[in-house]
Amino acid sequence: GEDVEQSLFLSVREGDSSVINCTYTDSSSTYLYWYKQEPGAGLQLLTYIFSNMDMKQDQRLTVLLNKKDKHLSLRIADTQTGDSAIYFCAEFNAGNNRKLIWGLGTSLAVNP
Amino acid sequence: NAGVTQTPKFRILKIGQSMTLQCTQDMNHNYMYWYRQDPGMGLKLIYYSVGAGITDKGEVPNGYNVSRSTTEDFPLRLELAAPSQTSVYFCASSYYSGGGTSTDTQYFGPGTRLTVL
Repeated sequence: GEDVEQSLFLSVREGDSSVINCTYTDSSSTYLYWYKQEPGAGLQLLTYIFSNMDMKQDQRLTVLLNKKDKHLSLRIADTQTGDSAIYFCAEFNAGNNRKLIWGLGTSLAVNP
Repeated sequence: NAGVTQTPKFRILKIGQSMTLQCTQDMNHNYMYWYRQDPGMGLKLIYYSVGAGITDKGEVPNGYNVSRSTTEDFPLRLELAAPSQTSVYFCASSYYSGGGTSTDTQYFGPGTRLTVL
């Protein structure tokens, strides 16, 4: 069945780049998403990438997609303490009743 | 636009009590979803709706019921609360235009924190 996997924790120093990785199993995924959840809050869409793209850049965020390896990454440049949060990867398949398959989330800690 | 709103923000229930979690969206989205998030875990889909009058089960529907009488509202009902239903509940909505490139981006409410004692 479908599965999305992420490493659970990542710790970086303020000002460094963070790279959060995600692997998925459904090769027919249409879109892949990154959501951010700050403590005690709901999920906020960060960015998404269409499956026919390799890369998408949005200010400090860079998403890389390797369809062959079913690997997605989110790079945050110049990581700030405000970036401390849980980051969820999700895949969307239009044929799967239009539901998202979620990873368990990566908790990013940014140390001053 | 307020986006997706949920009430209440917090609630403590005794075992066996019932309650309804409210969810409203003002974006004219056709799809709506209920998720639960247990500590340290990802999201589990409880129920979803593709439009008014149409609902379907997700991964973990047992112990819950939903209705969708309007486009805007998608309440989640707990009939006999159990400690296993202690969780944070998120409502989300998205818009499917019917086109092949529709992103179906889901927008989330702030969540309801429910404790069953």
